[in-house]
Amino acid sequence: AQSVTQPDIHITVSEGASLELRCNYSYGATPYLFWYVQSPGQGLQLLLKYFSGDTLVQGIKGFEAEFKRSQSSFNLRKPSVHWSDAAEYFCAVDTLQGAQKLVFGQGTRLTINP
Amino acid sequence: DTEVTQTPKHLVMGMTNKKSLKCEQHMGHRAMYWYKQKAKKPPELMFVYSYEKLSINESVPSRFSPECPNSSLLNLHLHALQPEDSALYLCASSQPDRDPYEQYFGPGTRLTVT
Repeated sequence: AQSVTQPDIHITVSEGASLELRCNYSYGATPYLFWYVQSPGQGLQLLLKYFSGDTLVQGIKGFEAEFKRSQSSFNLRKPSVHWSDAAEYFCAVDTLQGAQKLVFGQGTRLTINP
Repeated sequence: DTEVTQTPKHLVMGMTNKKSLKCEQHMGHRAMYWYKQKAKKPPELMFVYSYEKLSINESVPSRFSPECPNSSLLNLHLHALQPEDSALYLCASSQPDRDPYEQYFGPGTRLTVT
């Protein structure tokens, strides 16, 4: 079955430092991949998505992600984090391409040190 | 207006009660979703309505009954719930014929079953 793995449950970085959140997927074909962010007590917001084409994808709030087929990865990066980036981050895959059936990874909680 | 609203924000109900959760969007979206999110877990898809028709039911117990009375409204009727049904219930919407993967999430209803 298609699945998404986020190896890091919790990451702490200092404000202004760079960030990389890992995501690995298991899927036979080229998946549709997404990163969402959830602030405490809030719903989810889409940061970016990958369907095909350029493997480096730009998103909102200064985030980017790179699709690497050889590593089955779709890692999220940001060059310099801000205190407001503290949140839960979910990687997700659309298991039936175009059918809007998202399966989420377990999430990575990001804490920012001042 | 890119907002999905959900009412109530919090709900406490006994196992013999009947209650309903409500979700509303005025973005003209024609796909609406219900997700269940347990504490410290990712959202899990429950139902998808596309053009007011139920298109995906993820084998959800019959004590959860969705309803889509029109393209802007989505309800989730609850009856005879169990304590393990306590969770954050998230609603989302998207426009299938424009950008099917941009799901807009509401803030959720936090449900406690006693």
